[in-house]
Amino acid sequence: AQRVTQPEKLLSVFKGAPVELKCNYSYSGSPELFWYVQYSRQRLQLLLRHISRESIKGFTADLNKGETSFHLKKPFAQEEDSAMYYCALKDFGNEKLTFGTGTRLTIIP
Amino acid sequence: EAGVTQFPSHSVIEKGQTVTLRCDPISGHDNLYWYRRVMGKEIKFLLHFVKESKQDESGMPNNRFLAERTGGTYSTLKVQPAELEDSGVYFCASSQDLQSGYTFGSGTRLTVV
Repeated sequence: AQRVTQPEKLLSVFKGAPVELKCNYSYSGSPELFWYVQYSRQRLQLLLRHISRESIKGFTADLNKGETSFHLKKPFAQEEDSAMYYCALKDFGNEKLTFGTGTRLTIIP
Repeated sequence: EAGVTQFPSHSVIEKGQTVTLRCDPISGHDNLYWYRRVMGKEIKFLLHFVKESKQDESGMPNNRFLAERTGGTYSTLKVQPAELEDSGVYFCASSQDLQSGYTFGSGTRLTVV
């Protein structure tokens, strides 16, 4: 069965410091990986997807099939990055997302 | 464009009662999904509608949960009778096609006491 693991429930980083939110997955096929973000009092929204290979709000994530990881990175944290981040996996065969438990990122001013 | 709307935003009910959650997807979105997050656990898939048809309901926890999407527009999720373990946040999402990303609603926080 597919599974997404986010080992850190809480992560605090100083403003201006690099950020890395870890995500590992287990899946036998070729998954599609996503990062979703939920800012305070806002709805869950897509941050980025691995097939787009784009940078959103300074965040990037590279799919590493060898390590089955999809870590989210940003070189310089900003206060507005404080939020709950969820890594998610989608099977190409269907449309349901499998989420990790989420990491609450707090940027310390 | 109006987003995905969920009603109510909060609901507190007693064990054994019935609750109905509603989701209005973005107009024209054929795909509608229900997810829920139980406290301290991951967001879990419940089911997927394509128009009015249930495409995948493999995540529905048991027969106390009934989802409908009559006419392929809004959807309801009924819990009857509610149990304590049903407490959590229920999210709805919609998408235009399988290549599009989801748009999530704000969620309904259900508390069963």
